[in-house]
Amino acid sequence: ILNVEQSPQSLHVQEGDSTNFTCSFPSSNFYALHWYRWETAKSPEALFVMTLNGDEKKKGRISATLNTKEGYSYLYIKGSQPEDSATYLCAPRREAGKSTFGDGTTLTVKP
Amino acid sequence: DAGVIQSPRHEVTEMGQEVTLRCKPISGHNSLFWYRQTMMRGLELLIYFNNNVPIDDSGMPEDRFSAKMPNASFSTLKIQPSEPRDSAVYFCASSSPGNQPQHFGDGTRLSIL
Repeated sequence: ILNVEQSPQSLHVQEGDSTNFTCSFPSSNFYALHWYRWETAKSPEALFVMTLNGDEKKKGRISATLNTKEGYSYLYIKGSQPEDSATYLCAPRREAGKSTFGDGTTLTVKP
Repeated sequence: DAGVIQSPRHEVTEMGQEVTLRCKPISGHNSLFWYRQTMMRGLELLIYFNNNVPIDDSGMPEDRFSAKMPNASFSTLKIQPSEPRDSAVYFCASSSPGNQPQHFGDGTRLSIL
């Protein structure tokens, strides 16, 4: 089982603020990392698939970067909106192994 | 394109009863996962299958829990006998080969009285 740490645990921002979260994981035998968005009373949905060191992915106002050598990934949200309120999960995976989910960062965006 | 289908959506039953949760993965996906969501432990992996074979069941809480995948399009998670502490939302997810992410069903909200 991988030791996956996400920080902060929770975050409250005002509409329009930009924010970022961190996912830390062991860098050895890295295979892939997935970011998921999990809205209350729904199920997690995949945001990004990241595989290569230096990967940068973007979807609208949300972007992510990956550093496999030092074992971290950042998720950025530019100009947060109330609809961005959710828990954001990262799930790194080692070769031939299952993904391990972090506990998530819960974002609340106040109008 | 149908996603992962779980049934029932909600289940309320009395302690001691047998509970069976069902999952139909996305066609073509070869990995299937069962998770439990609780307030204390977040999203907890119970068991996962690869090509219908259980690979890791280390997350199954105890012998009261069992899971099967008789074919590529169906899996069950069974709790017998059920206890109030089993109350949680149970998610099923599937993924295709390679580095693809998991696709989650809508979950089954289980309440044991």
